[in-house]
Amino acid sequence: GAVVSQHPSWVICKSGTSVKIECRSLDFQATTMFWYRQFPKQSLMLMATSNEGSKATYEQGVEKDKFLINHASLTLSTLTVTSAHPEDSSFYICSARVAGDEQFFGPGTRLTVL
Amino acid sequence: DQQVKQNSPSLSVQEGRISILNCDYTNSMFDYFLWYKKYPAEGPTFLISISSIKDKNEDGRFTVFLNKSAKHLSLHIVPSQPGDSAVYFCAASAPSNYQLIWGAGTKLIIKP
Repeated sequence: GAVVSQHPSWVICKSGTSVKIECRSLDFQATTMFWYRQFPKQSLMLMATSNEGSKATYEQGVEKDKFLINHASLTLSTLTVTSAHPEDSSFYICSARVAGDEQFFGPGTRLTVL
Repeated sequence: DQQVKQNSPSLSVQEGRISILNCDYTNSMFDYFLWYKKYPAEGPTFLISISSIKDKNEDGRFTVFLNKSAKHLSLHIVPSQPGDSAVYFCAASAPSNYQLIWGAGTKLIIKP
C-alpha cells in the first residue's frame, strides 16, 4: 500500500529559529500533498494544499510567510516553520493524494518550540 | 509494511441500518486508537477514540470496539444517516510515541 513518511518525527527548537519538516511519498507519486496542524480534541486543521511545481494554496488565517511550503518533486513536499515561537508548538501532519479523494497520511511531526 | 489496515476501501449501507467499519493492526505496542471522519475537500475530524485498557467506548451513535487479542477494532454507527457518508480513517499510536499510524480509509456511502 501507499506509504507516506515524515521527517523528523519530533523536533525541539529555540524560539526564533526555523524548522523544516519533510513529507515524502515512498512508493507512489503525489501531485498534491496537504499539510495539517493538529489541535486539541484531535481534529486536524488544513493549513495548505501543495501542488508539485506550483505555489501552495493556503487556507484562510494561515500565514504563508511563516509556513513556507515547497513541493519540489512528485514525492517530496516540505513545510518550513520560520522564526518559530512557542505558540507554533503542535503536531504537524501531511498527506498525499493518490486519486480522487483518496489520501494517505504521514505519521506526523511533533514540534516543540522553547 | 502497513501497521494499520482498513481492508475495505468502500462500504454501502442503507439509511437507518448499522454501519460497521473495520480496522486491523499489527503492532502490539499500540495503546491508543482513534477514528476520524473526512468529507471531500476538508480535513479529517476526530470522531471517537479508545485506549487499550478498554474494549468499548460509546459516544452517541458511535461505538468503537477493541479486540486486543485479534488486533482488531471496529466502529459502529447506529442508526446510519445520510450525513455519515464520508471517508473514515482509523489511526493508532504507541506509548511515548507521538506519531499516528493511519489506515488507508474506508469510504462509507449511506443509501436513502
